[in-house]
Amino acid sequence: GENVEQHPSTLSVQEGDSAVIKCTYSDSASNYFPWYKQELGKRPQLIIDIRSNVGEKKDQRIAVTLNKTAKHFSLHITETQPEDSAVYFCALPEETSGSRLTFGEGTQLTVNP
Amino acid sequence: ETGVTQTPRHLVMGMTNKKSLKCEQHLGHNAMYWYKQSAKKPLELMFVYNFKEQTENNSVPSRFSPECPNSSHLFLHLHTLQPEDSALYLCASSLSGGTGELFFGEGSRLTVL
Repeated sequence: GENVEQHPSTLSVQEGDSAVIKCTYSDSASNYFPWYKQELGKRPQLIIDIRSNVGEKKDQRIAVTLNKTAKHFSLHITETQPEDSAVYFCALPEETSGSRLTFGEGTQLTVNP
Repeated sequence: ETGVTQTPRHLVMGMTNKKSLKCEQHLGHNAMYWYKQSAKKPLELMFVYNFKEQTENNSVPSRFSPECPNSSHLFLHLHTLQPEDSALYLCASSLSGGTGELFFGEGSRLTVL
């Protein structure tokens, strides 16, 4: 199956700072790169995704960048707020089954007021 | 109610018990999934159903038995579980096939004594 590595596993920032989480992958022809957010005690929810025909996508304070040559994609959160505190997961579809997602190990982001 | 609903939200069972987890979605999706979420581990895919047919079994022990009577309902039957099976079990749904958003339920927190 697809191998995806996510770093860092924990990230603590001050409110207003930026946060960056990176995922690297191997042996993939994937063209879809989603990010999920899971608040404490809540369900994971898709927050942003990108397809391989673009290198960057932005949605207000969050953005995702993709480097297919280097096989990594990153989540960028600017002007962080306490409500951004959560676990963030990157994911990749399996090559053999587009509906099966392999998730990264998650990043616990803490935004300190 | 819209979205993906899971019951029960919490379950405590002994190793000799038999119980079932239920998932229901009202999104018109044709694919449903069971994921296991343990502490400090990535989301692990257990089973995938497309149009009521099981298309993936990710080497899950037979003490977990899924059932999908229709595209809106998914069950996970549990019997003779082990303490290491204690985890959050998440149900998800999506449009069948392709690369699209997974919609998760809130999860069933299982504790095996």
